[in-house]
Amino acid sequence: DIVMTQSPDSLSVSLGERATINCKSSQSIFYSSNNKNFLGWYQQKPGQPPKLLIYWASSRESGVPDRFSGSGSGTDFTLTISSLQAEDVAVYYCQQYYNTPYTFGQGTKLELK
Amino acid sequence: QVQLQESGPELVKPSETLSLTCTVSGGSISRYYCNWIRRSPEKGLEWIGYISDNGNGITNYNPSLKSRVTMSMDTSKNQFSLKLNSVTAADTAVYYCARKNSGYEGYFDYWGQGTLVTVSS
Repeated sequence: DIVMTQSPDSLSVSLGERATINCKSSQSIFYSSNNKNFLGWYQQKPGQPPKLLIYWASSRESGVPDRFSGSGSGTDFTLTISSLQAEDVAVYYCQQYYNTPYTFGQGTKLELK
Repeated sequence: QVQLQESGPELVKPSETLSLTCTVSGGSISRYYCNWIRRSPEKGLEWIGYISDNGNGITNYNPSLKSRVTMSMDTSKNQFSLKLNSVTAADTAVYYCARKNSGYEGYFDYWGQGTLVTVSS
């Protein structure tokens, strides 16, 4: 199985500041034949299911604010929130879909400072 | 707008079978890959598997659960189901059904609200 490791486990950021969450895969999840990284990012708030934010490592899902962006390739990926809003307080997960079993990172809890 | 809703018993006894159903509205499940995912404090988010009609009827289960999992679908009711047998306390989790759009796109764009299933005598 591909192991996904996120860092940090928790993060405190002030309103309006940048938040950066990292995700590392135990093997490359880049498929050269289509030039894509098989990685998604999700946001989960209490009592709600995960919400897809980013797919193909950097494509933003429809309706997701443009302060959310994804980057990286191969084994190292980053989710950036450019200017933190109060509604962004949540747990964030990365997920690889390069092969099955699909696997998720352990989650990063984002809080307000 | 696609919507998914899980239903089933919230309490299951050890060694018995957990059974859940996901009812989908706003789109035909015949076009999708229908997944089950669970979240527990111990394991975090864990993909259980998927079933797809898609003209040929396929399943793909997480090897860690494969021996205990069965998925099925009823396209006439637009529902798909999960059975997990021989449950233990380790199977206590919030269970989600979720859609992925195709075999190639492995991300989950629509999720049910989730249902907490507790395994306890």
